[in-house]
Amino acid sequence: AQSVAQPEDQVNVAEGNPLTVKCTYSVSGNPYLFWYVQYPNRGLQFLLKYITGDNLVKGSYGFEAEFNKSQTSFHLKKPSALVSDSALYFCAVRDKGMRFGAGTRLTVKP
Amino acid sequence: EAQVTQNPRYLITVTGKKLTVTCSQNMNHEYMSWYRQDPGLGLRQIYYSMNVEVTDKGDVPEGYKVSRKEKRNFPLILESPSPNQTSLYFCASSLNGLAASYEQYFGPGTRLTVT
Repeated sequence: AQSVAQPEDQVNVAEGNPLTVKCTYSVSGNPYLFWYVQYPNRGLQFLLKYITGDNLVKGSYGFEAEFNKSQTSFHLKKPSALVSDSALYFCAVRDKGMRFGAGTRLTVKP
Repeated sequence: EAQVTQNPRYLITVTGKKLTVTCSQNMNHEYMSWYRQDPGLGLRQIYYSMNVEVTDKGDVPEGYKVSRKEKRNFPLILESPSPNQTSLYFCASSLNGLAASYEQYFGPGTRLTVT
């Protein structure tokens, strides 16, 4: 079965610094990988996806993710973090449905 | 406005009292799904539907029922709720269930407490 793992429950960064939220995957065949963000008391919002092609995927709000087949990773990145980026981030892989990681809480401090 | 709506947003009920959480989308999406979110576990899929009259079990279907009689609606039914079904529930939809490349759009969530 397809699955993803987010090894960090919490990531703390200072505003203006680069951020990375980690995700590793386990799939058979070609993976369809996604990142979603959840702000407090809200539903999930789509950030970006990797389907095929370029390993560097750009998404909403200045986020990007790098697909690395040899390391089976799909880390989310942003060059300069904002306080407003503080939220819960989920990596997901498309199976018949969608399988999500446990989530990583990102806190950006001023 | 394109959206997924859920009702109610908050619900407190007692063990064994049947309830239904409604989900509706106005985007003409074929695929709809229900998830529950629990701390430390992320989102887990309960049921999904590739199209009208086509439903299938996700990873945690026990204690839940669904139906898909119309394209826009996908209600979640708890015939006899139990306290372990206390959770935050999300409905989601995407354009095409067969094409894995489409992202999902999520509703605002329903917080259910079963006492």
